[in-house]
Amino acid sequence: DAGITQSPRHKVTETGTPVTLRCHQTENHRYMYWYRQDPGHGLRLIHYSYGVKDTDKGEVSDGYSVSRSKTEDFLLTLESATSSQTSVYFCAISDPGRGPGTQYFGPGTRLTVL
Amino acid sequence: GQQLNQSPQSMFIQEGEDVSMNCTSSSIFNTWLWYKQDPGEGPVLLIALYKAGELTSNGRLTAQFGITRKDSFLNISASIPSDVGIYFCAGLTTSGNTGKLIFGQGTTLQVKP
Repeated sequence: DAGITQSPRHKVTETGTPVTLRCHQTENHRYMYWYRQDPGHGLRLIHYSYGVKDTDKGEVSDGYSVSRSKTEDFLLTLESATSSQTSVYFCAISDPGRGPGTQYFGPGTRLTVL
Repeated sequence: GQQLNQSPQSMFIQEGEDVSMNCTSSSIFNTWLWYKQDPGEGPVLLIALYKAGELTSNGRLTAQFGITRKDSFLNISASIPSDVGIYFCAGLTTSGNTGKLIFGQGTTLQVKP
């Protein structure tokens, strides 16, 4: 199994509060991704990173920001959480040398915004 | 944006039966992938397909990359209870040297012992 951890695994927060989710990898992979999973939508890309300090937006990036100061850590921040951001968040990593598109996923963080 | 339509949305089958699911797109993809998600866990890669017409197996699983490059199929033979989960197709889009996956909505499989 790829060495990917996510923290926290569960979080309940209030509307309007800031929230930061952490993804940590021990594989030294260059690419890291944040997805959200909602019923009927599969997984949708929020932001991704192609190197330290190099990030870009995915299809559902509004209300989210990311940072990557080290290869192993990719942080997802909800500046002011809303109920529509209640979801399960997955981090993924990839190394193109293992085959295009072969992403490895973390265990997920279940976030509830009240 | 690009969308993948996966069908069926859910299946409830008897142990031992074969299963078929498919994924279609209005856009062409050069790589198709199939993932499985067990309850409470992250998706795990099952099969990756890199060439139109390619047929690839992984144990009881067989996946095909459609000739038009707009679809893909996954078959599971002789299903067992541990096949339960959500199966996702994904198409790879590339921009520069960055690849991004577009996921289908998932097919939920339940297997009755």
